Amino acid sequence: DVKVTQSSRYLVKRTGEKVFLECVQDMDHENMFWYRQDPGLGLRLIYFSYDVKMKEKGDIPEGYSVSREKKERFSLILESASTNQTSMYLCASNTGTANQPQHFGDGTRLSIL
Amino acid sequence: RKEVEQDPGPFNVPEGATVAFNCTYSNSASQSFFWYRQDCRKEPKLLMSVYSSGNEDGRFTAQLNRASQYISLLIRDSKLSDSATYLCVVRDSGTYKYIFGTGTRLKVLA
Repeated sequence: DVKVTQSSRYLVKRTGEKVFLECVQDMDHENMFWYRQDPGLGLRLIYFSYDVKMKEKGDIPEGYSVSREKKERFSLILESASTNQTSMYLCASNTGTANQPQHFGDGTRLSIL
Repeated sequence: RKEVEQDPGPFNVPEGATVAFNCTYSNSASQSFFWYRQDCRKEPKLLMSVYSSGNEDGRFTAQLNRASQYISLLIRDSKLSDSATYLCVVRDSGTYKYIFGTGTRLKVLA
């Protein structure tokens, strides 16, 4: 079974802090994704990576950056956290082969106070 | 118009009932289709991929109608444990982008 692990289930941070969310997958997947999920809005793509050191902006990249130094690890960084970044953050991965579904981590529920 | 649309529900059905959800998509070039299940405050989990000829997995049947641009999910003999939100996901041809619907909530009642 594919295992996607996110570093924290719950996280509370303060406005202005730099926040790191980590995601690790154990299936040698090429593609990794970061989403946020908010009530009524569904999942929205923040960033995508298709290889080590490669990244693409998603639909809502503002206020976020990412890092992929190793194939198995994809980090999401909130440069200066704001209250509107309070959300559920979901990491996903899949192979580079067409038509493959994504596999999700447990999610991180982040609160910015 | 949203790229992927679902009726938010909730669909309240008795145990043992058959229930069906539809999901419409706007891009005719869409290539891959999936149904995910999401329990409250949990991550989405893949329920099934949707193939052109339709496919079945136990009590679950998925269909694709390219002409009308919708996919469907049929659940037979509903169980209490089927209560969840069902997400429709569409991937466009030639892109990495997966578009998620906002989900249809199902409640199976005893």
